[in-house]
Amino acid sequence: DQQVKQNSPSLSVQEGRISILNCDYTNSMFDYFLWYKKYPAEGPTFLISISSIKDKNEDGRFTVFLNKSAKHLSLHIVPSQPGDSAVYFCAASAHGSSNTGKLIFGQGTTLQVKP
Amino acid sequence: GAGVSQTPSNKVTEKGKYVELRCDPISGHTALYWYRQSLGQGPEFLIYFQGTGAADDSGLPNDRFFAVRPEGSVSTLKIQRTERGDSAVYLCASSRGPGYTGELFFGEGSRLTVL
Repeated sequence: DQQVKQNSPSLSVQEGRISILNCDYTNSMFDYFLWYKKYPAEGPTFLISISSIKDKNEDGRFTVFLNKSAKHLSLHIVPSQPGDSAVYFCAASAHGSSNTGKLIFGQGTTLQVKP
Repeated sequence: GAGVSQTPSNKVTEKGKYVELRCDPISGHTALYWYRQSLGQGPEFLIYFQGTGAADDSGLPNDRFFAVRPEGSVSTLKIQRTERGDSAVYLCASSRGPGYTGELFFGEGSRLTVL
């Protein structure tokens, strides 16, 4: 049962344009969402997060949008740069009373930004 | 170093052998997580430690997998009677612990290949 889904395995955009990466989830208990970026032979690194009490969070070129009713979030990168080429993972957690901080990850989307 | 450290970075073993993978978390982080990432997939949760105890081991695939964290810092993931299907990158992550709403910090992973 895939609770977090990234249905696009890959995305290619031109440098300077907008990259939009999508993520869907099924568990309504999820209340915190994160995006991670991964380069080859490295561990995932945190990019940006959003709490379920918000619908948007922005950090420089990166913006995450959350649509709770649709159980959908997206990451916008604008303008895209060649150095943004990496695998992007969407992740979610359900804090509640247990609050383990355990993250559930999507399958990842490989972004290629062409110069 | 300041980050999560994992050793070995690469391990090649034969089917049926025993393997240990080590994780040294960020100093002061009480929470430690093991994940497994297979090719083309996102990280899959295995086990979570809060201090010395395994608070959630629901992701361990079977009883061949075991993890310890005897002093609440370094953790070892142990795999007995390895199978070819165990081949994956094993990722360790740490965080500040309960009540902390934030990201997990990942190591670079240990790539296990079972021949």
